[in-house]
Amino acid sequence: QVQLQESGPGLVKPSETLSLTCTVSGGSVSRGGYYWSWIRQPPGKGLEWIGYIYYTGSTNYNPSLKSRVAISLDTSNNQFSLKLSSVTAADTAVYYCASGDGVSRPSNWVQGTLVTVSS
Amino acid sequence: QSALTQPASVSGSPGQSITISCTGTTSDVGSYNFVSWYQQHPGKAPKFMIYDVSNRPSGVSDRFSGSKSGNTASLTISGLQAEDEADYYCGSYTSSNTLVFGGGTKVTVL
Repeated sequence: QVQLQESGPGLVKPSETLSLTCTVSGGSVSRGGYYWSWIRQPPGKGLEWIGYIYYTGSTNYNPSLKSRVAISLDTSNNQFSLKLSSVTAADTAVYYCASGDGVSRPSNWVQGTLVTVSS
Repeated sequence: QSALTQPASVSGSPGQSITISCTGTTSDVGSYNFVSWYQQHPGKAPKFMIYDVSNRPSGVSDRFSGSKSGNTASLTISGLQAEDEADYYCGSYTSSNTLVFGGGTKVTVL
């Protein structure tokens, strides 16, 4: 399966935009039938699905985050990215990128990045 | 979307079988055979254990099995081992073409 590697700042100020990138190796983000997802987990709490981008570029998001989220695909760099705007302390979490061949089948997860929202 | 409902904790002795339930609605678990299960050890990323209700990815022990009845899916761990102590999450496809997770269940091996 493909390898995923996350990158991005671990500290973001309130009201700013959180940006994370997931670089794919061993396969293409344009791979037919694949979903590239973002999932987060606040400290000590459960998993929350953020959204996905399909290999075609179509997206879908968690309704509770939809107004603040954008996931994009960069085929030239074989990456997909997450942007979450107007962050607050409630957005502090470990953010995971994941891949799989179905919306409900994120089979391959990266270790995750703790992003803290604080001034 | 509302989180699926899981018991906060389940425990069992080594060698026993335990079952974790995951209750949703007719908008998710009840309408689609797209339920997945994840195992998470402390400080680690979740591991994909079951997909499409009852299928195991390559490399997952056959001690783990999944099923579904109505709006409730279940994960059964047979022959419980110390290494099975972890948090377990269910996930389901929804009618909005999204994924919703359960709140998680802590499994303790006594």
